[in-house]
Formats: sequence, C-alpha cells, structure tokens
Amino acid sequence: DVKVTQSSRYLVKRTGEKVFLECVQDMDHENMFWYRQDPGLGLRLIYFSYDVKMKEKGDIPEGYSVSREKKERFSLILESASTNQTSMYLCASSLYLANTGELFFGEGSRLTVL
Amino acid sequence: AQSVTQLDSHVSVSEGTPVLLRCNYSSSYSPSLFWYVQHPNKGLQLLLKYTSAATLVKGINGFEAEFKKSETSFHLTKPSAHMSDAAEYFCVVSRSGGAGNKLTFGGGTRVLVKP
Repeated sequence: DVKVTQSSRYLVKRTGEKVFLECVQDMDHENMFWYRQDPGLGLRLIYFSYDVKMKEKGDIPEGYSVSREKKERFSLILESASTNQTSMYLCASSLYLANTGELFFGEGSRLTVL
Repeated sequence: AQSVTQLDSHVSVSEGTPVLLRCNYSSSYSPSLFWYVQHPNKGLQLLLKYTSAATLVKGINGFEAEFKKSETSFHLTKPSAHMSDAAEYFCVVSRSGGAGNKLTFGGGTRVLVKP
C-alpha cells in the first residue's frame, strides 16, 4: 500500500513564526502536492511538484513556499505564519497526473496560528 | 474555468437506506470527474473516477456514479448505507489547458448514518 506520512499531526505556532510541514511518500511517485482544507471550501491547491527540485504554484501560493530536494520528500514552508493560515494541510502524491490517476493522501497536519 | 458544486453540505440517512450525493460541474470541455471520501481524522481516498469511458462508473464499497453530460451532473449513489459510510465526500473535476496536475474540489458533503 502507498503510504504518505505527514510527520506533524497537530501544531500550534505564534504569528510570525516560521513553520515547516514535512511529507514523505514511499511509492516512488513523481508528483507531490500540498493542499489546504477549510470547511465548506473543499481542498485548495497550494503548490505541487512533478520532479525533484521542480515546483509549480497552485491556486493559493501566497504566503507559502515548498522544497523538494529528494523524490520522496516534499516540504511546505510558511515563512511568517499568520492567523489566516490556521487550517488543515494535506499532502498527496501520485504516479500519474492528477487528472488521470489517483491521489494518495496523508492524514493531514492541523495548524493553529495564535 | 471549471467549477464544481455539491448541492448538499450535509446528508443524513438511516442504515440500510439508499444514499444520494449530488454534484454538478461546469466545464468548457469533457472533464475527468472523481469522488473522494474522507473518514474522520484520515486523508482522502479515491472512491471512483470517470475519464470518458463508460458513463456509469462503479467504485469501491458499493458506490457508483453516473456521468450525465446533458445535465452536467455526476451524482454518487449507494443502494444501502452502512455505518462505515459516515464520512465527508468530495466531488472533483479536472481542468483543461494542460493543467494536468490541477483539480477543482467541491465543498464537500458530510454524511451521517443513523442506526
């Protein structure tokens, strides 16, 4: 089974802190994604990566950056956390493009910014 | 631009009765469509997908969905609900213009199953 692991399930940070969210997948997938999930809004794409060191902006990249130094690891970075970034963050990976294949999701990282 | 609307934010059913989750989409081309399920404190899991083959798509756990182009709908059904079906369900549409890795998610429908 594909496993996508998000190391931090719950985080509480203060405004202005730098926040790292880590995601690791164990199936050698090319594509990795970071989504933000908010009630009533579904999932919104922040960034995705289709190869090591490659990244593309999603729909809501402002205030976020990403890093993919190794194929299995995709990190989301909040350079200066703000209260409006309080949310559930979901990492996903896929072997094929998202519009043809299947996304495999981690269990999420719930971030609270005070 | 593609969009997807899930017509019910919450659905309550009794165990053993049918489940219907409604989804309408808008797209300027023939999209791929998906349903994902999220159980409490879990990540999302693919239930089924439509990618321009048969219009009636069967998925896991007894779910199925029918693609109706004339109605721009992709409703999800299950003949008999089980307690384990209590979860949040997301209808998802692909995008055009080479945006192969970008999907548009609906707002979600939370399903409550009563014993």
